[in-house]
Amino acid sequence: QVQLQESGPGLVKPSETLSLNCDVSGHSISSNFFWGWIRHPPGKGLEWIGCVIHSGKTYYNPSLRSRVTISLDTSNNEFSLKVTSVTAADTAVYFCARQVIVGELPRHFDLWGRGTLVSVSS
Amino acid sequence: DIQMTQSPSSRSAFVGDSVTITCRASQSVSIYLSWYQQKEGQAPKLLTYSASTLQSGVSSRFRGSGYGTEFTLTINNLQPEDFATYYCQQSYSIPNTFGQGTKLEIK
Repeated sequence: QVQLQESGPGLVKPSETLSLNCDVSGHSISSNFFWGWIRHPPGKGLEWIGCVIHSGKTYYNPSLRSRVTISLDTSNNEFSLKVTSVTAADTAVYFCARQVIVGELPRHFDLWGRGTLVSVSS
Repeated sequence: DIQMTQSPSSRSAFVGDSVTITCRASQSVSIYLSWYQQKEGQAPKLLTYSASTLQSGVSSRFRGSGYGTEFTLTINNLQPEDFATYYCQQSYSIPNTFGQGTKLEIK
């Protein structure tokens, strides 16, 4: 059974870096899927952050591209998210998820982690 | 970015009813439209993808349809466990974008 589990600090200070990991069990992240991050700010809709595949290719939301890095750690079968220079607007529940490839592009999310709340506050 | 607009934003219905949720894209997304169900405090769950393909393990009471800019999710014979928030997602282009959600409540 494939499972994804987010981990990381629940509180980050403004201007600092938000760092989250997603541990994947039951499936190799070197397989032919994209591995991505989505966030859900309170009272707002879902926002796609970006994704990465085993070749190292990444896609990012242009609205966050300058502050976001998504990377794979194949030795630990996990992937990570870093968001620099955070503000209160980055407060959200962050989900990691597996994104299916169709026509060489990331498409639908078939597996999700349970999500983790990250608050940005001093 | 492609804007996704869902309607209605909320809906109440009785157990046993059928309901339809609409998702409109600001430009064509071909068939690359997925629907998700999210319950409070839980991760979204994939219901349908490629506009009309039912995800494995999902009840056949859920049916997706559409192409291009207009899509629908129909839920037949509503069950208590179906009352949740539903989101559409386009994956035709980067960045992928989601609709704002439709909250389905029990009447």
